[in-house]
Amino acid sequence: AQSVAQPEDQVNVAEGNPLTVKCTYSVSGNPYLFWYVQYPNRGLQFLLKYITGDNLVKGSYGFEAEFNKSQTSFHLKKPSALVSDSALYFCAVRPGSSNTGKLIFGQGTTLQVKP
Amino acid sequence: NAGVTQTPKFRVLKTGQSMTLLCAQDMNHEYMYWYRQDPGMGLRLIHYSVGEGTTAKGEVPDGYNVSRLKKQNFLLGLESAAPSQTSVYFCASSFLTRVGNTIYFGEGSWLTVV
Repeated sequence: AQSVAQPEDQVNVAEGNPLTVKCTYSVSGNPYLFWYVQYPNRGLQFLLKYITGDNLVKGSYGFEAEFNKSQTSFHLKKPSALVSDSALYFCAVRPGSSNTGKLIFGQGTTLQVKP
Repeated sequence: NAGVTQTPKFRVLKTGQSMTLLCAQDMNHEYMYWYRQDPGMGLRLIHYSVGEGTTAKGEVPDGYNVSRLKKQNFLLGLESAAPSQTSVYFCASSFLTRVGNTIYFGEGSWLTVV
């Protein structure tokens, strides 16, 4: 079965420290990978995506993610966390074999950045 | 820039009542989707549409119906609401493309069934 896993329900970091939010996937074919962020009572906002090419993808608000094919992972990272980064983060994958565009989402990771 | 707009934003229903959630997008996207979000379960696809006049079932379609009579609109219907349908509903849309297309989401509709 195709799936996405975010092993941590919550990640806590201090402001200014680097952060990592983990994501692993299991899909057939070459995957297209996405990260979205959700602020309280809001919709999901697109952060970044990996389609092909360079394994390190840069996105909005200083976030980046590294695609690792051998480990089937796509971890989200930021060198220096801000309190305003506190939100719910979703990893999602679109199987390369899919022609409908629909995404499979992980269960989400709450990021808490403390001053 | 309206993007994806959902109405209503909040609604409380009694068990057995019916209602329709409306989604409108102004980006000329071919694909539209309805997801539901439940704590600890991420987003699950209810129904989707790859073009005007076409719809298809997603991961959790039971209890819901959809229609795509116009390209810009995608309606989600609950014929007989149940407490298990208490959730946050998100509409989304994207372009038709063979490469990983970015999906854009609405702000959500909070539905409580009592």
